[in-house]
Parts: sequence; structure tokens; C-alpha cells
Amino acid sequence: DVKVTQSSRYLVKRTGEKVFLECVQDMDHENMFWYRQDPGLGLRLIYFSYDVKMKEKGDIPEGYSVSREKKERFSLILESASTNQTSMYLCASSLEGFSNQPQHFGDGTRLSIL
Amino acid sequence: GQNIDQPTEMTATEGAIVQINCTYQTSGFNGLFWYQQHAGEAPTFLSYNVLDGLEEKGRFSSFLSRSKGYSYLLLKELQMKDSASYLCAVRDDSNYQLIWGAGTKLIIKP
Repeated sequence: DVKVTQSSRYLVKRTGEKVFLECVQDMDHENMFWYRQDPGLGLRLIYFSYDVKMKEKGDIPEGYSVSREKKERFSLILESASTNQTSMYLCASSLEGFSNQPQHFGDGTRLSIL
Repeated sequence: GQNIDQPTEMTATEGAIVQINCTYQTSGFNGLFWYQQHAGEAPTFLSYNVLDGLEEKGRFSSFLSRSKGYSYLLLKELQMKDSASYLCAVRDDSNYQLIWGAGTKLIIKP
């Protein structure tokens, strides 16, 4: 079974802090994704990566950056946290090359910015 | 623009059947996914449709009509554990990204 592990289930930070969310997958997947999920809205893509050191902006990249130095690890960085970044953050991974391959999700990090 | 519509909430009775609809307007189409998400947990993959017709997996079935931009998820013999949100997502021409609906919260009553 695919395992996607996010470093924290719950996190509380202060406005202006730099915040790191870590995600590791164990299935050698090429693609990795960061989403945020807010009530009443669908999953919104922040950034994705299809290879080591490669990254692409999603729909809402402002205020975020990412890092993928190793294939298994994809980090999301909030450069200067703001209260409107309080949300559930979900990491996902998928196999490259086949359109029927689903994305596999971690358990999520519920981030509160005070 | 890209848009996926699902009902916000549905209620059904234990042991009954429920159909959750999803309509989409996207620039391209490379398959449609259904996911289940229990409160506070990760979404988990349920089904994938790329050709028209019905795909059955135990108590769950998923249907697709590409000409109508329409899919549904059918849940039979409902159990209390089926109370969850059900997310519809479309893969457009990109092989990487999915476009997500807001999800349908399904409440099962005894």
C-alpha cells in the first residue's frame, strides 16, 4: 500500500512566522502535490512537482513556496504566515505516465495561524 | 472555465441506495475519479471512469457519460460507516492535475 506521511497532524503558528510542512511518500512516485482544503471549497492546488527539483505553480501559489530535493520528499513553505492561511493542508503523490493512476493522500495537517 | 458541480449535502437511510451526481465542464477530459473522505481524514480513492458506462465495485458503482459531462456514484446497502464526503475530480488534458468538486457530504440515518 502507498504511504504518504505528513509531519504533523496539528500545528499552531503565529503571524509572520516561516512555516514548514513536510511530506514523504514511500512508493517512488514521480508526482507530488500540495493542496489546501477549506469548508465549502474543493481541494485547491498550491504547487505540484513531477520530478526532483521541478515545481509548477497550481491555482493558489501566492504566499507559498515548495522544495523537492529528494524524490520521496516534498516540502511546503509559508514564507510569512498570515491568518488567511489557516487551513487543512493535504499532500498527495501519484505515479507518472498513466491517466488512470489516482492520487494518494496523507492524513493532512490542520494549520492554525494566530 | 473549469467547473465541477456536486450537491453540497445529501441524507439517506441505512440499508437504502443513494446516488451522488457530478457534472463537469472542463477544457479537456482524461478521466473522472471519485474519492471518499471521512471527517478529519485523508481522501481515499474509490473509482475511476474514462469510458462511458457503469463500473461496479462491490456496493459502490460509478457511471460516466462524457457527452453529457455527467457522472454519478451509486452506493447500495448503505451502512453507517458510509457517512462521509464524496469528492468528484476530473483529470483534464494535463497528466498531472485534477480539478476537484467541493464534495458532497452524505449523512446516513438509522
